[in-house]
Amino acid sequence: AQKVTQAQTEISVVEKEDVTLDCVYETRDTTYYLFWYKQPPSGELVFLIRRNSFDEQNEISGRYSWNFQKSTSSFNFTITASQVVDSAVYFCALSEYSGGGADGLTFGKGTHLIIQP
Amino acid sequence: EAGVTQSPTHLIKTRGQQVTLRCSPISGHTSVYWYQQALGLGLQFLLWYDEGEERNRGNFPPRFSGRQFPNYSSELNVNALELEDSALYLCASSTMQSPRKTQYFGPGTRLLVL
Repeated sequence: AQKVTQAQTEISVVEKEDVTLDCVYETRDTTYYLFWYKQPPSGELVFLIRRNSFDEQNEISGRYSWNFQKSTSSFNFTITASQVVDSAVYFCALSEYSGGGADGLTFGKGTHLIIQP
Repeated sequence: EAGVTQSPTHLIKTRGQQVTLRCSPISGHTSVYWYQQALGLGLQFLLWYDEGEERNRGNFPPRFSGRQFPNYSSELNVNALELEDSALYLCASSTMQSPRKTQYFGPGTRLLVL
């Protein structure tokens, strides 16, 4: 069965610091998808990024970057020059390929990121 | 383009009652997913509907059920409510077109069972 572990339950940094959120996953499938979502206090999950298992290229989007390493089953998320608006709970999630279907996501427990001004 | 919408935003029910939550997917999306986010339990997959059929369900009892309508909107029904059903219920939708398997979430329905 698949599993996602986010070992950091809460991280607190001062604005403008860089911060990395860790995500480690377990799956028996060779084809799978990894995601990061942001959940602000309002509760809605905001999609940030999707990665396919066969695409290990790292990605940068503005202040956000993601490091996908199959060898260590990790998909870490870095925020550069953090801002107060980045404060939220961040979830890493995994979806296994199910023969043409799109299965339910398995989420980690989430990391509560607090950016102090 | 409108996002995923859910109704109602908040609900208060008493133990033993029944509740129906509603979700409208993004236009063009045929898959709808339901998740429960209960305090201390994290986000858990409940149900997946696609093209009107239930495709998969998570580890939840049968009193959690739902359906998907021809316009791809969906309902989640919970019978015989228990106190531990108090949670944020999130609906998500996705398309089989590219980018597949990306689920976009609605704002959720907060259910409180007293």
